[in-house]
Order: sequence, then C-alpha cells, then structure tokens
Amino acid sequence: SQKIEQNSEALNIQEGKTATLTCNYTNYSPAYLQWYRQDPGRGPVFLLLIRENEKEKRKERLKVTFDTTLKQSLFHITASQPADSATYLCALDIDAGGTSYGKLTFGQGTILTVHP
Amino acid sequence: KAGVTQTPRYLIKTRGQQVTLSCSPISGHRSVSWYQQTPGQGLQFLFEYFSETQRNKGNFPGRFSGRQFSNSRSEMNVSTLELGDSALYLCASSLTYSFEQFFGPGTRLTVL
Repeated sequence: SQKIEQNSEALNIQEGKTATLTCNYTNYSPAYLQWYRQDPGRGPVFLLLIRENEKEKRKERLKVTFDTTLKQSLFHITASQPADSATYLCALDIDAGGTSYGKLTFGQGTILTVHP
Repeated sequence: KAGVTQTPRYLIKTRGQQVTLSCSPISGHRSVSWYQQTPGQGLQFLFEYFSETQRNKGNFPGRFSGRQFSNSRSEMNVSTLELGDSALYLCASSLTYSFEQFFGPGTRLTVL
C-alpha cells in the first residue's frame, strides 16, 4: 500500500545543534516533495519544495535533500533555536506527473523540541 | 497582502446536523484546497477547486461536499454530522500552476 512515514514522532535536541528529520515513502513516484511547519492551533506554513530532479535545496538555516532511489527526504535545521520548536510535515503529490495541483498527501509529522 | 481567512474559527454541532465552512483565499489565488486534520489520521485531503470546478477529490464520503464561487471564495459542507467528523478543517490556496500552498488558520469543528 502507499505510505508516507516520518520516522520520528518526536525529536528533542539542544539549542545550537542540527536537527535532522526524515520522510520516507513507498509506492509513490512524486514529482516533488514539500516540507511544512505547523505550530499548535495554526495552519501549516510552507518551508521548502524540492523537485524529483533536484538533490538538495537550501534556504537560510534549512536544507532539504531528496533521494528518489531511496524514496527518502531529509530535512535539516542547522544552529537550531527554541523558536524552531514545532511540528514539521512532509508532503508530496501522489499522482503521476505532478499534475495534482492543490492535492497533497502529508506524513504524520515530527514534533521537534529545541531545548535552551 | 492578506492571508487565507476561514470562518468560523470554532463551531459546535450535534450529530445529524449539517455545517458549512467558508474560506477566502489570498487575492489572485484561484486554487482552493480543503483538508481535514485529526490526531489519529493527520492531515487528509478532501477536495480542490479551481475556477469553480472540482479538480481533485480525496477519499471521503459524499456527505462532504464543496463549491467555489467566481471570486474564488470556497465553502465546504458536511451533512448528517457524525462524532468522527470532529476535526480541524483547513483551507489552503495557491497560485495557478504552483505547488506551494498557503493555509488558513482552520475551523475547529466539534460534533457532540
């Protein structure tokens, strides 16, 4: 069956360290993968999108990798801060060819807590 | 630019009733998607509208329906509410041919 798994339900790290979150999927061939941040009581906020032909993408302290052979994406936050504490969700299009505009399938999310 | 707005923010209904939720997308965004978020199932796609037409649909029963108006505002309706429909309902909008979605704050629906 088709599945998206974010390996850790919760991740606790010390301030200043690098947080690494994992997203694995099976039986999909997504054209792109996205990462969102969600704070309690709020809607998700878009962070980064990486396409199937891209290996890595960066934005400030954030870095995403996408390995279509391993069917895995890694999301890194370097020099983490307590303000980075939130739930992080990976999302991808499960329909072929990236034509499923507006239709995302989400992982269950990883709750990241950065301790001062 | 104003973000995605959803009304109402909180709603309490009883089983068997119906409910209508409203979403106003970011100005210029013509695609509106709806999602249901629960602790057990996470975020699940309901449907997506573009130019007043339903373009994509998730695996939800027919009790869940939606529509989009010419100004891109969208509504979703749930009829014959069940206890399991209690959830945070999120609306997201996006630009044409863009995969990035902008979410609203959600409507928290509680069914008693």
